[in-house]
Amino acid sequence: EVHLVESGGGLVKPGGSLRLSCAASGFTLSNAWMSWVRQAPGKGLEWVGRIKSKTKTDGGTTDYAAPVKGRFTISRDDSKSTLYLQMNSLKTEDTAVYYCSTVGVSTGGYDFDYWGQGTLVTVSS
Amino acid sequence: QSVLTQPPSVSGAPGQRVTISCTGSSSNIGAGYDVHWYQQLPGTAPKVLIYGNTNRPSGVPDRFAGSKSGTSASLAITGLQAEDEADYYCQSFDSSLSGSYVFGTGTKVTVL
Repeated sequence: EVHLVESGGGLVKPGGSLRLSCAASGFTLSNAWMSWVRQAPGKGLEWVGRIKSKTKTDGGTTDYAAPVKGRFTISRDDSKSTLYLQMNSLKTEDTAVYYCSTVGVSTGGYDFDYWGQGTLVTVSS
Repeated sequence: QSVLTQPPSVSGAPGQRVTISCTGSSSNIGAGYDVHWYQQLPGTAPKVLIYGNTNRPSGVPDRFAGSKSGTSASLAITGLQAEDEADYYCQSFDSSLSGSYVFGTGTKVTVL
């Protein structure tokens, strides 16, 4: 059974940094595309970024949404089955619950088919 | 801001049929990219309801059905039940946003 558990959220001041982790189990992380999605309080879902698998075809490349490009970095440690989101230069508008998700692990498509429970990041002075 | 537009809310009595629209453009749904639908129950993470426009993951009741035409997609819920009260989001891919996944604005379904 696929299981994703996020951690690392908390309160941080504007301009600060935070690293989120997502522990994965029940599938081979190295073969999977993974994404981060966030949800501001009372708002809708917003895609943050994606990392492809490390296969020759996919090359482990990353893509980011415009609001976070240049500030956020997605990485993975396949030996630890863990996905990371490094967030720098945080702004108040980054306040949200952050979810990690798999991309098409069970469906074979480009949907977000498994989600973690989320971790809350609050950016405030 | 979201490039996929959904109605803020829809409602229906138990047993009725409701539909949720998802309107995009020529750079996302109209470009042929698949549409996926998610259900988010209060206080929980989203769950995929429909993937690849019309497909249901195992365990999702056949009361939920997805369709797509032109630059829009729809989610239909037939035989509405109290447990269907939730937020629903469509999602696709947009080629105009540097390889960006996009979500709809979200629709709150209320069971009267």
